[in-house]
Amino acid sequence: DVKVTQSSRYLVKRTGEKVFLECVQDMDHENMFWYRQDPGLGLRLIYFSYDVKMKEKGDIPEGYSVSREKKERFSLILESASTNQTSMYLCASSLSSAITTNEKLFFGSGTQLSVL
Amino acid sequence: QKEVEQDPGPLSVPEGAIVSLNCTYSNSAFQYFMWYRQYSRKGPELLMYTYSSGNKEDGRFTAQVDKSSKYISLFIRDSQPSDSATYLCAMSVQSNYQLIWGAGTKLIIKP
Repeated sequence: DVKVTQSSRYLVKRTGEKVFLECVQDMDHENMFWYRQDPGLGLRLIYFSYDVKMKEKGDIPEGYSVSREKKERFSLILESASTNQTSMYLCASSLSSAITTNEKLFFGSGTQLSVL
Repeated sequence: QKEVEQDPGPLSVPEGAIVSLNCTYSNSAFQYFMWYRQYSRKGPELLMYTYSSGNKEDGRFTAQVDKSSKYISLFIRDSQPSDSATYLCAMSVQSNYQLIWGAGTKLIIKP
């Protein structure tokens, strides 16, 4: 059974802290994504990666960075957490190595981050 | 105005009813249309995937695309309490990897 695992289900951090969200997939997928999900706004793409050490900005990359040192692991970093980054963060992966194709996304269960 | 509009609900119907969930969109270049289902405290999972116009059926689920009206629908027949979830539509332009998501409709099926 395919699996995308996010390291934390809930996180509470303070303003200004550096926050790491980890995601691991066991499907040997090429593409990995970070989204945030807010009520009334749907999913918004923060960053995605189509290969190891490769990354592309999504719609809302400001205040975030990412790291993909190994194919199975994609990390989202909040350099200095702010209250407006309180949200549900969803990691996803997909098989295709062609970034212009649309492949089925497999999602993790999400990390609910609260920044106080 | 959002590129993809979806009524947030909640939509509450009795078990066995036919459910209709809808999204409207403004970008006529969209060609790929998807429905994802998201249970509480879980990530979304792909339910239906349609290219261009027309209908697609999978068991109790039917996805319908009307490009002339910029309107997509998901029909659920013989709805079950296990169908209670949030349903997200998503769409993209052929040459663009990036999905544009609706905000989701919360569906409640009452036993």
